Amino acid sequence: DQQVKQNSPSLSVQEGRISILNCDYTNSMFDYFLWYKKYPAEGPTFLISISSIKDKNEDGRFTVFLNKSAKHLSLHIVPSQPGDSAVYFCAATSGTYKYIFGTGTRLKVLA
Amino acid sequence: DVKVTQSSRYLVKRTGEKVFLECVQDMDHENMFWYRQDPGLGLRLIYFSYDVKMKEKGDIPEGYSVSREKKERFSLILESASTNQTSMYLCASSLFQEQFFGPGTRLTVL
Repeated sequence: DQQVKQNSPSLSVQEGRISILNCDYTNSMFDYFLWYKKYPAEGPTFLISISSIKDKNEDGRFTVFLNKSAKHLSLHIVPSQPGDSAVYFCAATSGTYKYIFGTGTRLKVLA
Repeated sequence: DVKVTQSSRYLVKRTGEKVFLECVQDMDHENMFWYRQDPGLGLRLIYFSYDVKMKEKGDIPEGYSVSREKKERFSLILESASTNQTSMYLCASSLFQEQFFGPGTRLTVL
């Protein structure tokens, strides 16, 4: 039972354009969501997070949107840069130590 | 900066061997985690620990055990390695929600 789903395994975007990565979840008890970026041969690094009391959080080029009624969150990267090419994981937690990760989306930003 | 280190980047072991994966964090974090990452399956939680000598099973604990004798160190043990345990193993630590990951250990079991 996949509680956190990233339905697009890969995404290609031109440099300078917007990248939109999507994540759906099924557990309405999740109250905190995170995005991680992972380069090959490295561990994931934290990118941005959002609490369920908000619907948007912004940090520089990265914005996360949360739609609780649809149980959907998205990560927007504007403008996309070649260095953003990586695998992106969304994760969710319901206030416990346990995090549920999605399967990841591989983003390729084309120069 | 938080630093999470893992004892090996690459490891090759034979079926039936006992394998130890070590993880050390330098930020005095209470919580530590072991995940494995497999293509198409994302990160799956094996075990986590919220204090010294405390541990809880994650989603896929079978075939694994853990040890946390000191706050900064969390070890993952494969009692008798099998080929289906070939994977990337990631350790993480956290104080609150954000987890900090080590670089990973790619384990191959032949």
